[in-house]
Amino acid sequence: DAGITQSPRHKVTETGTPVTLRCHQTENHRYMYWYRQDPGHGLRLIHYSYGVKDTDKGEVSDGYSVSRSKTEDFLLTLESATSSQTSVYFCAISEEGSGEKLFFGSGTQLSVL
Amino acid sequence: QKEVEQDPGPLSVPEGAIVSLNCTYSNSAFQYFMWYRQYSRKGPELLMYTYSSGNKEDGRFTAQVDKSSKYISLFIRDSQPSDSATYLCAMMRDTGRRALTFGSGTRLQVQP
Repeated sequence: DAGITQSPRHKVTETGTPVTLRCHQTENHRYMYWYRQDPGHGLRLIHYSYGVKDTDKGEVSDGYSVSRSKTEDFLLTLESATSSQTSVYFCAISEEGSGEKLFFGSGTQLSVL
Repeated sequence: QKEVEQDPGPLSVPEGAIVSLNCTYSNSAFQYFMWYRQYSRKGPELLMYTYSSGNKEDGRFTAQVDKSSKYISLFIRDSQPSDSATYLCAMMRDTGRRALTFGSGTRLQVQP
């Protein structure tokens, strides 16, 4: 998957607990994205980053925060997980000037009970 | 109303059939049009990409964009069981936030 590693691959947690998902890339691409995928909704953008310490909100950012302290790592944090955040989370990367060509990781299946 | 609409299927066809997958959209600012393929339990992978209107062909796959009708299509000729996957259309503006807006995906099953 184009040098993208997501961890963990699966996680079960309880409502109200904090959760951090990690995305690590070896491609040195500038842009990184977090999407969630739910039945009937397709992929929806949560947050994205256009460089170290440069991030911006997507269409479903409420309840999520991100950090990018190194080019290769992009972290997604659920400060206080809710059942509505049960989903499959995908990290993606793209080169500068090629935002239409995303390379995706294998996803993290998150269940919030 | 969603910006991008896509029939979820599932669509079941026999091997060798011609498959037509479609999306409609409402935002006239979209200029980039993509098709991603997603196998079960995997991340999506880019299949085809078109800028603005017109057709693009790559092997058995043809992508068409009709901006006047706000309608895009993906045709698969001589479909194979290995084409069984979910196909997601995606679109992006030329200006402003350059992030993709995805359709909900169409699940395709090609029967041997």
